Amino acid sequence: DIQMTQSPSSLSASVGDRVTITCRASQGIGYYLAWYQQKPGKVPKLLIYAASTLQSGVPSRFRGSGSGTDFTLTISSLQPEDVATYYCQKYDSALALTFGGGTKVEIK
Amino acid sequence: EVQLLESGGGLVQPGGSLRLSCAASGFTFKSYAMSWVRQAPGKGLEWVSIIYSGGSNTYSADSVKGRFTISRDNSKNTLYLQMNSLRAEDTAVYFCAKDRFGDLLFFDSWGQGTLVTVSS
Repeated sequence: DIQMTQSPSSLSASVGDRVTITCRASQGIGYYLAWYQQKPGKVPKLLIYAASTLQSGVPSRFRGSGSGTDFTLTISSLQPEDVATYYCQKYDSALALTFGGGTKVEIK
Repeated sequence: EVQLLESGGGLVQPGGSLRLSCAASGFTFKSYAMSWVRQAPGKGLEWVSIIYSGGSNTYSADSVKGRFTISRDNSKNTLYLQMNSLRAEDTAVYFCAKDRFGDLLFFDSWGQGTLVTVSS
């Protein structure tokens, strides 16, 4: 099975900072990658799909990039409302729709 | 507005069974793949099962294969998860989730979840 590894597992940054989260697949998955945001006590929210397509209504400070095995989620200017855990999910095959382990983002 | 309402969670003994339901509204249910995703207390998201829009194709994670069965009733706009031979490690909040476009296998709407606790 393809494993999805996110790094770091947590980070602390200041408001206005640029934040980068990495998701690595153990085998190539093309562009079949989605990113979700889960705020404390809330359900996950779709941010990005097809590695770089922004879901409707998501602020433009969120950007996804990558293909194959290496993907990144970038928050260009961290805001207080961005405190959350972020997950990647591969969807190249219905046999295994694996999520990454998550990256917890906090404000310094 | 899309609404997904899970029910059926609760406390069950190891080896027991539960059936979860997810009542959907606000979209053409029969046109979308649906999935179950779980989250153990304080842990990350784990995909459980998916069923395509027509209902004939289903897939499950290795951790639940042979124990859990996903199904849907498109006439009732309802998704189900039959869980048998439950184990302590199945304790989690179970979310139902709607496919973003149809059968593309990522999810734009989630229910609030139902808690399943497996304990003696």
